[in-house]
Amino acid sequence: QITLKESGPTLVKPTQTLTLTCTFSGFSLSTSGVGVGWIRQPPGKALEWLALIYWDDDKRYSPSLKSRLTITKDTSKNQVVLTMTNMDPVDTATYYCAHSHIAVDAFDIWGQGTMVTVSS
Amino acid sequence: DIQMTQSPSSVSASVGDRVTITCRASQGISSWLAWYQQKPGKAPKLLIYAASSLQSGVPSRFSGSGSGTDFTLTISSLQPEDFATYYCQQANSFLGAFGGGTKVEIK
Repeated sequence: QITLKESGPTLVKPTQTLTLTCTFSGFSLSTSGVGVGWIRQPPGKALEWLALIYWDDDKRYSPSLKSRLTITKDTSKNQVVLTMTNMDPVDTATYYCAHSHIAVDAFDIWGQGTMVTVSS
Repeated sequence: DIQMTQSPSSVSASVGDRVTITCRASQGISSWLAWYQQKPGKAPKLLIYAASSLQSGVPSRFSGSGSGTDFTLTISSLQPEDFATYYCQQANSFLGAFGGGTKVEIK
């Protein structure tokens, strides 16, 4: 059974850097074809794709946020970390991590999400 | 960047109705499109991938079609548990942009 869970601060100040961790079980990020991505959703708004890292360390970023995002993996810990610099109140959202496989090329299993508020 | 546009933004329907939601990509993405269902306070659930492949465990009343730039999600007979918001998404390998969502409400 695949599960994912997001963790990190619930409140960050403007200009700070956000670091979120996705801890997963039931699969390995060293298995060919597997990926883990991050998606966010501001309150009452649509989903926004942020970043994805594949088993071979290939990394993809949203073009509009690329300069602020870094995604990394720690295969031994079954974790994926997303950092987002220069946080702003418009970055207030629920942040989700999710499992993907190249055969599906979509997110088939999602974490429960973690709400992050940006406020001074 | 490829943009995804969904229509309508909301639809009111009754149990048993046939509901169709459309999604248009700003440039061709072959069949690399997914559909999700999201209920309030919950994570999205994958319904359809590769435009028309039904995800395991998803009821057969859900179907997807299309290729290139125009795609549809059809619910053949709306059930009470289907009232939710639906999102299309271009494939992750295309950097996965989501549509704006379609809320299916009770008439």
